[in-house]
Amino acid sequence: EPEVTQTPSHQVTQMGQEVILRCVPISNHLYFYWYRQILGQKVEFLVSFYNNEISEKSEIFDDQFSVERPDGSNFTLKIRSTKLEDSAMYFCASSEGHGVWQFFGPGTRLTVL
Amino acid sequence: KQEVTQIPAALSVPEGENLVLNCSFTDSAIYNLQWFRQDPGKGLTSLLLIQSSQREQTSGRLNASLDKSSGRSTLYIAASQPGDSATYLCAVGAKAAGNKLTFGGGTRVLVKP
Repeated sequence: EPEVTQTPSHQVTQMGQEVILRCVPISNHLYFYWYRQILGQKVEFLVSFYNNEISEKSEIFDDQFSVERPDGSNFTLKIRSTKLEDSAMYFCASSEGHGVWQFFGPGTRLTVL
Repeated sequence: KQEVTQIPAALSVPEGENLVLNCSFTDSAIYNLQWFRQDPGKGLTSLLLIQSSQREQTSGRLNASLDKSSGRSTLYIAASQPGDSATYLCAVGAKAAGNKLTFGGGTRVLVKP
């Protein structure tokens, strides 16, 4: 069964460093998302992406964040200069269309020291 | 701004009992509602999706209802098993272009053998 994959599963970085989180969405899906979950808190929406552009972004998704679909299979989230408060589990999701199932990857746990 | 609440935050039942998990949301102008299961330290597994025009959806022992006008959804799990122990999240899909999901805080379920 097709699934969303994410790498790495765990990333440890120093404050101020750049990180890139990678996702491979399900192959025929057209809509892509990033969410995050700080330990003990709700899952929060970061950004949605369709047709090679951002559809919507949250207040969290400031200039330090960017997304890219560099080829036909990968979808990446870049954090330019990480802060302690960026420590969280980051989930990638994809969907076939608008308003249908969103399928989530296993997540990347980001720890900023 | 959409707010999603899940009560109770935790629930413990003996094996075989039926589970009733509640989700409420403040803005009834939704596109859909999705229920997820999350195991500790893991990703989100999609369980059921209800479109805004539907009243309920069923999959095996799971049944989810939606009352959009009152801003409520209920997930029923029949004849609970220890393997059902997990956190259950509901998420409301927005009508806006990004179709972002707004999550509740989850109900942590423990089914005792």
